[in-house]
Amino acid sequence: QSVLTQPPSASGTSGQTVTLSCSGSSSNIGSNIVNWYQQLPGTAPKLLIYSNHQRPSGVSDRFSGSRSGTSASLAISGLQSEDEADYYCAAWDDSLHGVVFGGGTKLTVL
Amino acid sequence: EVQLVESGGGLVQPGRSLRLSCAASGFTFEDYAMHWVRQAPGKGLEWISGISWNSDTIGYADSVQGRFTISRDNGKNSLYLQMNSLRPEDTAIYYCAKDAGRTWYTWFDPWGQGTLVSVSS
Repeated sequence: QSVLTQPPSASGTSGQTVTLSCSGSSSNIGSNIVNWYQQLPGTAPKLLIYSNHQRPSGVSDRFSGSRSGTSASLAISGLQSEDEADYYCAAWDDSLHGVVFGGGTKLTVL
Repeated sequence: EVQLVESGGGLVQPGRSLRLSCAASGFTFEDYAMHWVRQAPGKGLEWISGISWNSDTIGYADSVQGRFTISRDNGKNSLYLQMNSLRPEDTAIYYCAKDAGRTWYTWFDPWGQGTLVSVSS
């Protein structure tokens, strides 16, 4: 059972916009930044969004992040087949004194 | 180019020990905090330990506290994870990850390719 809650799966068709959610509490998302990681099949995770909504250099502007209260979300616009991956949210937890991850959302492009 | 290369994984019996290494290159290793994150087969990501640039701040997940020890050698640009009293549930790919900051957690970027640890009799 992950500290941060993500839906296990999501899907969309090419060109669509999908939004992935991440729910936490006051001790993690409510008081600390949220980061998002993308894990393509068979590869190591890669930073996708940092500090709630910032994109690293090289990450497409089709990816955007936001945070509100104790929840965060990742939006992917203009969905492409290469976006099929697992997406994880993460944040520092003040009560657990450690980094907590969501269980991950497997995105399928139909 | 920033590179992190893990090594030391393998098959080990329950109760035994293993030491993982992470060789860093392409950046000033001593300026950044570092972490270990693992992923059990078919499961999600789990942060297990982090260490500040000067080793002054160290943290562990409850699941490994007292059994695993993180350390670093800034002179050798290397991060280590000493794993003792291994259990079958420790079976996972272990990733080394660079923090964006110096003192503690900000975000992980980049990650190494991982090394597989299998604990089984």
